[in-house]
Amino acid sequence: SAVISQKPSRDICQRGTSLTIQCQVDSQVTMMFWYRQQPGQSLTLIATANQGSEATYESGFVIDKFPISRPNLTFSTLTVSNMSPEDSSIYLCSVGTGGDEQYFGPGTRLTVT
Amino acid sequence: AQKVTQAQTEISVVEKEDVTLDCVYETRDTTYYLFWYKQPPSGELVFLIRRNSFDEQNEISGRYSWNFQKSTSSFNFTITASQVVDSAVYFCALSEYTGGFKTIFGAGTRLFVKA
Repeated sequence: SAVISQKPSRDICQRGTSLTIQCQVDSQVTMMFWYRQQPGQSLTLIATANQGSEATYESGFVIDKFPISRPNLTFSTLTVSNMSPEDSSIYLCSVGTGGDEQYFGPGTRLTVT
Repeated sequence: AQKVTQAQTEISVVEKEDVTLDCVYETRDTTYYLFWYKQPPSGELVFLIRRNSFDEQNEISGRYSWNFQKSTSSFNFTITASQVVDSAVYFCALSEYTGGFKTIFGAGTRLFVKA
């Protein structure tokens, strides 16, 4: 299993600004994922972040809006850039290894005003 | 392309009733994994079960049971003798080999168990 922490746990931001969310895992993992969960909705995969390579973004998500860093096997960041109220969501980091269950962080609740 | 359908948006039952949550998936892979996760009101996602595409054996864990049928592309979840603490959103998910094992989630089923 893996224990995942995220910072911040919540934030209220002004539109047009950017927020960087940190994800820390207590063990080395190859695959990390970033999801968005809008209020009352399911989880939508934003991107897959593997250490040593550029993140792979899903349809509808672009690097300019959601830049991701993966400097080592235990850490990743997701930045939500030039925020608008539509970006208000819970952002979740998760880790998993090819077919294994994914472990999720507690999420970052973002409100954009 | 992978897809997960949870047709039941909300289910409401009275405590001690049995309830089945449906999950239908689509995939072109022969190697894939299916999952159920629980998201209680606290918000954290809790892993419940994983099944790989080569193992159609049904599983029982306490009051929980899962029925995997490849012939109908379904992976249904039954809670027996439901309890108020079972109230949560339940997500079915699919992870494909050719997708790099990224996991796609269904829309979720919100279960209300009334005392």
